Amino acid sequence: GQNIDQPTEMTATEGAIVQINCTYQTSGFNGLFWYQQHAGEAPTFLSYNVLDGLEEKGRFSSFLSRSKGYSYLLLKELQMKDSASYLCAVMDSNYQLIWGAGTKLIIKP
Amino acid sequence: DVKVTQSSRYLVKRTGEKVFLECVQDMDHENMFWYRQDPGLGLRLIYFSYDVKMKEKGDIPEGYSVSREKKERFSLILESASTNQTSMYLCASSRTGDINEQYFGPGTRLTVT
Repeated sequence: GQNIDQPTEMTATEGAIVQINCTYQTSGFNGLFWYQQHAGEAPTFLSYNVLDGLEEKGRFSSFLSRSKGYSYLLLKELQMKDSASYLCAVMDSNYQLIWGAGTKLIIKP
Repeated sequence: DVKVTQSSRYLVKRTGEKVFLECVQDMDHENMFWYRQDPGLGLRLIYFSYDVKMKEKGDIPEGYSVSREKKERFSLILESASTNQTSMYLCASSRTGDINEQYFGPGTRLTVT
């Protein structure tokens, strides 16, 4: 079966760095997405990786290792507004998105 | 600015009622999707559409149907609502292309009593 695993909840301190991991087992691979979802709001796109390596976008970076079925989202200089759920999703061989359950990130002052 | 809108943010219906959830996108996207989101579970795909009048079943289509008569509008229908359909329903759209990033509407929280 297809499976996406990510931690349920993480806590970090304002100004610090946090890494949210995602491991996947899917039938085929056509890219991995990270979305941010604030409570009660729609998910919004953060990043897309299809090749191995690190993609940096401001305070956020996303890493992919296809051979290990592994990705992480790195958030630097954490701000209170980064408190949200972070969703990992993999596009399979049929170009369908398989979603993880999301990681709730709590930022403390 | 990219926009996906959904007809209601909150809806309360009774068991057995027919429920219509509407979604409209203004980006001329070919693809539209309906998901439900429940605590502790990832987004689960109910139905999707790659073109007008075209629909495909997702992972959990039972108890639902859809309609896409116009490119910008994708409707989700619960023929006879049941309590286990109480959930957050999210509509999304994307264009056909390299990245296929999906844009989401604000969601409809449906409660079936």
